[in-house]
Amino acid sequence: QKEVEQDPGPLSVPEGAIVSLNCTYSNSAFQYFMWYRQYSRKGPELLMYTYSSGNKEDGRFTAQVDKSSKYISLFIRDSQPSDSATYLCAMSATGGGNKLTFGTGTQLKVEL
Amino acid sequence: EAGVTQFPSHSVIEKGQTVTLRCDPISGHDNLYWYRRVMGKEIKFLLHFVKESKQDESGMPNNRFLAERTGGTYSTLKVQPAELEDSGVYFCASSQVTTGELFFGEGSRLTVL
Repeated sequence: QKEVEQDPGPLSVPEGAIVSLNCTYSNSAFQYFMWYRQYSRKGPELLMYTYSSGNKEDGRFTAQVDKSSKYISLFIRDSQPSDSATYLCAMSATGGGNKLTFGTGTQLKVEL
Repeated sequence: EAGVTQFPSHSVIEKGQTVTLRCDPISGHDNLYWYRRVMGKEIKFLLHFVKESKQDESGMPNNRFLAERTGGTYSTLKVQPAELEDSGVYFCASSQVTTGELFFGEGSRLTVL
């Protein structure tokens, strides 16, 4: 069983829709949770960074962490065609620094 | 300021040959990481340098892989001899501090035939 499970999609939504992306994990040592966005043929870029449980909002993006359920989410409001990319969840344990465990990524397409 | 740069962007080699991938981290970043994504799988950690020292190489798959970071600047990842299962995209990333934001390069795509 993988430590981090993520639905690979693809997920196709109309412009302006609210997008919900999710990951579940099994390792209770994970304390730091990240969402990366990766455009085709590019490297991942950090979108959101959350420590432990709770919500974090940045513009149109909201990250949620529920450690009791080992479940993290990324919400994108008012989605735009430029949001079309692969979204990767990643996490690390205390003391693990940037030794990240990634999900497989969800491919998102926002259509006009 | 230049980001993390990787070379080559794509390499096609025969099984049994040797390939060397290079990574130039962001200037001033002491922490350098190698990650790999094989087809259909998740991105996986390979190893972590702090300056020229290997901090953690627990993700290196076997002794056909050799990573170096002489002088604490750029890093190389050599695969010798390459096997079919080594095909994938090799990402380099760097950060200023161990827990700081990680910046990824665009990756080096390796195809072993």
